[in-house]
Amino acid sequence: AQKVTQAQTEISVVEKEDVTLDCVYETRDTTYYLFWYKQPPSGELVFLIRRNSFDEQNEISGRYSWNFQKSTSSFNFTITASQVVDSAVYFCALGGSYIPTFGRGTSLIVHP
Amino acid sequence: EADIYQTPRYLVIGTGKKITLECSQTMGHDKMYWYQQDPGMELHLIHYSYGVNSTEKGDLSSESTVSRIRTEHFPLTLESARPSHTSQYLCASSPSASMNTEAFFGQGTRLTVV
Repeated sequence: AQKVTQAQTEISVVEKEDVTLDCVYETRDTTYYLFWYKQPPSGELVFLIRRNSFDEQNEISGRYSWNFQKSTSSFNFTITASQVVDSAVYFCALGGSYIPTFGRGTSLIVHP
Repeated sequence: EADIYQTPRYLVIGTGKKITLECSQTMGHDKMYWYQQDPGMELHLIHYSYGVNSTEKGDLSSESTVSRIRTEHFPLTLESARPSHTSQYLCASSPSASMNTEAFFGQGTRLTVV
């Protein structure tokens, strides 16, 4: 079995603040994949990033960055200089031998 | 942009009615999924399919049923809707083989049973 924990239910920040969303996972697979999705108010989940278990390099894409640490089973997501448009629910997910497992989601509210 | 479509987007229906939520994808993906999303955000897998004529129940017990007669189509049916079925239903698909690819999601159907 596998599990994804997003301990932060809701985070509220003011525009331009940096914010980090935490994701901790559990799996017995040696090969697995981690994902982040964004769910804006419109409802659909939008894929943001995929990382496989053999690639611990951090990734940066514009204001977004991801920190994958296998030693702590974490795959955290940081938004730099947050904007109101970043307000959404963010899901971390784990894929491996099993069907994808999603965390409970973190609601990010960015105030102007 | 993902080519996966759900209809209707919103549905209000009376208790006891039979309803079918439609999901279609044009990407030729073998794997398809139905998730139920609580108002509190958590996604619960209720059904999935690995291909035509393959359907499995997910982690969350559901009174709904699904069918997969064609690769592109994965409808979900509630024989007798109840207020407890009020939720958002999200359909997703992904390419076959390993679990290393992301899932593509439809926009969801918000169902209200009165």
